[in-house]
Amino acid sequence: ETGVTQSPTHLIKTRGQQVTLRCSSQSGHNTVSWYQQALGQGPQFIFQYYREEENGRGNFPPRFSGLQFPNYSSELNVNALELDDSALYLCASSPRGGLQRNEQFFGPGTRLTVL
Amino acid sequence: AQKVTQAQTEISVVEKEDVTLDCVYETRDTTYYLFWYKQPPSGELVFLIRRNSFDEQNEISGRYSWNFQKSTSSFNFTITASQVVDSAVYFCALSVITGANSKLTFGKGITLSVRP
Repeated sequence: ETGVTQSPTHLIKTRGQQVTLRCSSQSGHNTVSWYQQALGQGPQFIFQYYREEENGRGNFPPRFSGLQFPNYSSELNVNALELDDSALYLCASSPRGGLQRNEQFFGPGTRLTVL
Repeated sequence: AQKVTQAQTEISVVEKEDVTLDCVYETRDTTYYLFWYKQPPSGELVFLIRRNSFDEQNEISGRYSWNFQKSTSSFNFTITASQVVDSAVYFCALSVITGANSKLTFGKGITLSVRP
């Protein structure tokens, strides 16, 4: 069984640029959530996708957007990058949408640095 | 709104000591789930345990044990006979039903250092 994978591992961008992060969910999982983890903080929920539709969103501006594909993989897009966007971005997948009793399985993360 | 508080920020112990990590949560929901995750230096969050709000039975799994008390809104985690490999950041998290959303609300984490 393949776990959650994310690419790239590390990324350096400059302020104002756009970035796309990718996530492949664990086999059999159709729900993907994205979290932002700033240095020294706990992860903060960005949004969740279930069956290719956004299924809840945290307190993040619209320049954070996402997609989920028919194979349940997902992308996180961030436009007009700001210095404060520098963080570890974590993707998590779970077996069934909206079922809190299922733990979310996390990928290794993408570390984004904005200069 | 949900909130998770991990008042301890850093704990340092010597190998073989027991250590307890504290977690206090806030929610108005009656149905919720509590989690502990471990984050080693590699960055990946590793799931340790899940508890639902109707199950206050405490659990022991090897060197790990958990104490869930609804009366005090606490979900504490104890490592017995700690080892160097336990060094990591530990997060407590809460999940409630909000429509079909199953987001996790995390605490700020506790950095545990186990010295040989």
